[in-house]
Amino acid sequence: RKEVEQDPGPFNVPEGATVAFNCTYSNSASQSFFWYRQDCRKEPKLLMSVYSSGNEDGRFTAQLNRASQYISLLIRDSKLSDSATYLCVVNFYSKLVFGAGTILRVKS
Amino acid sequence: DVKVTQSSRYLVKRTGEKVFLECVQDMDHENMFWYRQDPGLGLRLIYFSYDVKMKEKGDIPEGYSVSREKKERFSLILESASTNQTSMYLCASTADWTEAFFGQGTRLTVV
Repeated sequence: RKEVEQDPGPFNVPEGATVAFNCTYSNSASQSFFWYRQDCRKEPKLLMSVYSSGNEDGRFTAQLNRASQYISLLIRDSKLSDSATYLCVVNFYSKLVFGAGTILRVKS
Repeated sequence: DVKVTQSSRYLVKRTGEKVFLECVQDMDHENMFWYRQDPGLGLRLIYFSYDVKMKEKGDIPEGYSVSREKKERFSLILESASTNQTSMYLCASTADWTEAFFGQGTRLTVV
């Protein structure tokens, strides 16, 4: 079983749609969690950290469920510029493990 | 502005050559990582280091070694390059449990 698993997509959505991604992780001792965004032919960049209490940054909401070992990302009012690959990342004692990524394509 | 710099954007090497990929960070981070990224497989961890002269194997260390003689520099070495090591290589650094910063990547082609 992979340490971090994501649905690869692609998710094809119209502008203005709400879209949600999930990610599961296998190690219950994992300590911190993140969503990264990667544009085509670019390096990954931090989108947001994920906290147990849930956190929001504008149109983006991230949730962590430790009991079920999954992380989610919700994007509201999708924009064309949200098209990218979204990577779920888990930190286990300084070892950063990435999911394979979920492709989002927002269309006009 | 934080920075992780990889020595080359593009490299073409011959099968059997010894290849060095260099990564330097200016943030005084303890942890540094080398990943390779292939279509459909995402980022796979090759090696990481949490201190000078310390290294840990990641998920796919075979055919690779690393060196960390100074805190700011983490080198990936392909002892004898093979065609299946053609890939995008990404270096990253982080302080404990915080945001990771990536270099721009090195696209290596082994012919």
